[in-house]
Amino acid sequence: AQTVTQSQPEMSVQEAETVTLSCTYDTSESDYYLFWYKQPPSRQMILVIRQEAYKQQNATENRFSVNFQKAAKSFSLKISDSQLGDAAMYFCAFRPFQGAQKLVFGQGTRLTINP
Amino acid sequence: GAGVSQTPSNKVTEKGKYVELRCDPISGHTALYWYRQSLGQGPEFLIYFQGTGAADDSGLPNDRFFAVRPEGSVSTLKIQRTERGDSAVYLCASSAGARVEQYFGPGTRLTVT
Repeated sequence: AQTVTQSQPEMSVQEAETVTLSCTYDTSESDYYLFWYKQPPSRQMILVIRQEAYKQQNATENRFSVNFQKAAKSFSLKISDSQLGDAAMYFCAFRPFQGAQKLVFGQGTRLTINP
Repeated sequence: GAGVSQTPSNKVTEKGKYVELRCDPISGHTALYWYRQSLGQGPEFLIYFQGTGAADDSGLPNDRFFAVRPEGSVSTLKIQRTERGDSAVYLCASSAGARVEQYFGPGTRLTVT
């Protein structure tokens, strides 16, 4: 079974600064997907960024980028130029490439942006 | 088009009652997922539909929980004899065929008193 661990229950950052959220996972699969989702108080999970394990290049979406270290089973999210609208819960999630379609989520990190 | 919608937004029920939670996926999405999110936790998988059939129901906690998707679109999650431990946010997501990305609805917050 796969597990996802987010060791930072809460993080805070000054507006316009950079913050990194950590995520580690455990799996015996060789091919899989990793995701970061954002959950604002409205409860709706919003996909922030996705990484395929077979790709060596780290994914980037505007101010959001990941540091994917497959051997270390680490998948951190970097948010540059933090904005007040980035404040939310952030969840790391795993899905195997084949087989089970379900997402396995970590416990989440609450990100606060200080103006 | 419209995103995933879920009704009701909030539901309060008494212990022992029966509840139904509804999910309307994005039009054309063949895959539909239910997750349960307890307070302070990440979502946990309950059940996955591909079309009308449940392709994976390994996350349903016990036989009080049941879900249907009779026409391959709208899905209903049914909980019998509710318990206080069933209190949580129930999230629905859908995806298009072989696409990996799952799109989530706003969830239903269920409170069992």
